[in-house]
Amino acid sequence: GEDVEQSLFLSVREGDSSVINCTYTDSSSTYLYWYKQEPGAGLQLLTYIFSNMDMKQDQRLTVLLNKKDKHLSLRIADTQTGDSAIYFCAEKKGYSTLTFGKGTMLLVSP
Amino acid sequence: EPEVTQTPSHQVTQMGQEVILRCVPISNHLYFYWYRQILGQKVEFLVSFYNNEISEKSEIFDDQFSVERPDGSNFTLKIRSTKLEDSAMYFCASRLTDTQYFGPGTRLTVL
Repeated sequence: GEDVEQSLFLSVREGDSSVINCTYTDSSSTYLYWYKQEPGAGLQLLTYIFSNMDMKQDQRLTVLLNKKDKHLSLRIADTQTGDSAIYFCAEKKGYSTLTFGKGTMLLVSP
Repeated sequence: EPEVTQTPSHQVTQMGQEVILRCVPISNHLYFYWYRQILGQKVEFLVSFYNNEISEKSEIFDDQFSVERPDGSNFTLKIRSTKLEDSAMYFCASRLTDTQYFGPGTRLTVL
């Protein structure tokens, strides 16, 4: 199966919270990342979490890590239309290689 | 804020031709990467480069691919004889510590 799995699509209304989920398979992963990709643009690092942490908060972003279930989530509070993009979960395995999920397309409607 | 830059933004080539994709990593970074993203698919690792040599490469990175850091600021990916299936977005990334920073990508179209 896939190393990193994400749901493909999420639709929310402006002002609501968005939760994007990710599962990974390698328990030895040291860091887990969330990247954002806007149409036609590159990958913008949003946030990351070290594997010995359970939670990390950065302004509107909250990352939760459940190592037992190998589950990572990204919560965006007060979602705005400018948050519409594809969100990629990635795990760092081994020396430094990142393994990405297929991405979750977040659509925020007014 | 420093950023990774890539040129060109879009490259169109004929099958069998050689292409060189260029990247300028963030200036004090030491580790460099190429990834690709075929349309609609996930981002895939190609190769990592450190201390002027390849440190890791994936199965995708076969003999048709090569990387070079010719002058201390540029980092290039060469595809010797392009195939239709090489059409993708190619991302360069660099890092100093644990976080990789990505460029905007070069869209390669092979006709």
